[in-house]
Amino acid sequence: DAKTTQPTSMDCAEGRAANLPCNHSTISGNEYVYWYRQIHSQGPQYIIHGLKNNETNEMASLIITEDRKSSTLILPHATLRDTAVYYCIVYRSGGYQKVTFGTGTKLQVIP
Amino acid sequence: DVKVTQSSRYLVKRTGEKVFLECVQDMDHENMFWYRQDPGLGLRLIYFSYDVKMKEKGDIPEGYSVSREKKERFSLILESASTNQTSMYLCASQRQGARETQYFGPGTRLLVL
Repeated sequence: DAKTTQPTSMDCAEGRAANLPCNHSTISGNEYVYWYRQIHSQGPQYIIHGLKNNETNEMASLIITEDRKSSTLILPHATLRDTAVYYCIVYRSGGYQKVTFGTGTKLQVIP
Repeated sequence: DVKVTQSSRYLVKRTGEKVFLECVQDMDHENMFWYRQDPGLGLRLIYFSYDVKMKEKGDIPEGYSVSREKKERFSLILESASTNQTSMYLCASQRQGARETQYFGPGTRLLVL
């Protein structure tokens, strides 16, 4: 499975867009990029995933570069409730999934 | 909605005790996982199971065992708890397939004295 690299922490002003980068330079063609977040004292929660096209849902947008070596999760209007640790991970396709979570990015939304 | 429940939110045990952590999911998922989470180390996979009675070691299986007798239930067992097993334990389930997300339980915070 490809390894991902994320900044340890980031700050974002409330109401502004939060852009969280992730590097996955060793990603292979059949691996999807997934984002989860973990709010303090809770289990991780799925946000969004994509293969090579940009994706958007009610929570966030995912921008994947053309070479697929990096991606950015965008929270368009960050709120205090978005303060959490955000994990970028990759899944290989086929069979059962052994997923490795890294240490993620701690996003602090500031009032 | 998928629901993953864990038997306890907080647990205090003594060194040497046998500890059972239970996880139940209600969506007929094939895959189930046990992670532990420690500050600065992120989530680390202990064991996972892709079918009843099937199990695979994760990245840190030492000191742990698992049991999956029924599809909906996945148990993590600490045969003889030690203080270095004090941690947050997270269970997850997932439908088998290439693009399926993992659904996590609320976690069990275990303290071994």
